[in-house]
Amino acid sequence: GAVVSQHPSRVICKSGTSVKIECRSLDFQATTMFWYRQFPKQSLMLMATSNEGSKATYEQGVEKDKFLINHASLTLSTLTVTSAHPEDSSFYICSARVGGGGTGNTIYFGEGSWLTVV
Amino acid sequence: QKEVEQNSGPLSVPEGAIASLNCTYSDRGSQSFFWYRQYSGKSPELIMFIYSNGDKEDGRFTAQLNKASQYVSLLIRDSQPSDSATYLCAVKISGGYQKVTFGTGTKLQVIP
Repeated sequence: GAVVSQHPSRVICKSGTSVKIECRSLDFQATTMFWYRQFPKQSLMLMATSNEGSKATYEQGVEKDKFLINHASLTLSTLTVTSAHPEDSSFYICSARVGGGGTGNTIYFGEGSWLTVV
Repeated sequence: QKEVEQNSGPLSVPEGAIASLNCTYSDRGSQSFFWYRQYSGKSPELIMFIYSNGDKEDGRFTAQLNKASQYVSLLIRDSQPSDSATYLCAVKISGGYQKVTFGTGTKLQVIP
């Protein structure tokens, strides 16, 4: 399958600081990437849809000024958690869609990034 | 009603048995259906996808889709302890930007 790489895999930051997570599609171009958050023993929660060259589409309840998403190229999307607080500690996962958007495409996930805010 | 529903489990099966995981969805216009496996602390990995009614087989895995009844299932034959994980059903619903919605997952435990 397609390869999606996420970095860093684990990050610890101090409360009030910002942290950036990168998501790269390694062997394909991804016009659309997705960012999820998953708390322990809970399901994936879609945070936003990242579209190359345009503004991200955020899900209801997700603060766009706190979770900044930039999709500057066809292979890279970044999520910046600004002014992080302990309640932002979670597993953040990106995914990318392979294909043109019709029935013949699938979604592959990055390895995920564990964020701990202390 | 949730868009994609799964029984959270845990579903326990003995090693070598068939594990049957079920998923129902509410959007009748849904087009594509995916099964992902997620080990604890790891991100989901794609097992298989299905678009057409009927069965699709890939090794020990068989996906079954019934659009009239709006359910999709995953069968795992000859279950192994390494299959113990949470299985996520995902559905690409109809509409503007082809949003994929995930179920909450079913935890499978294969008992040696």
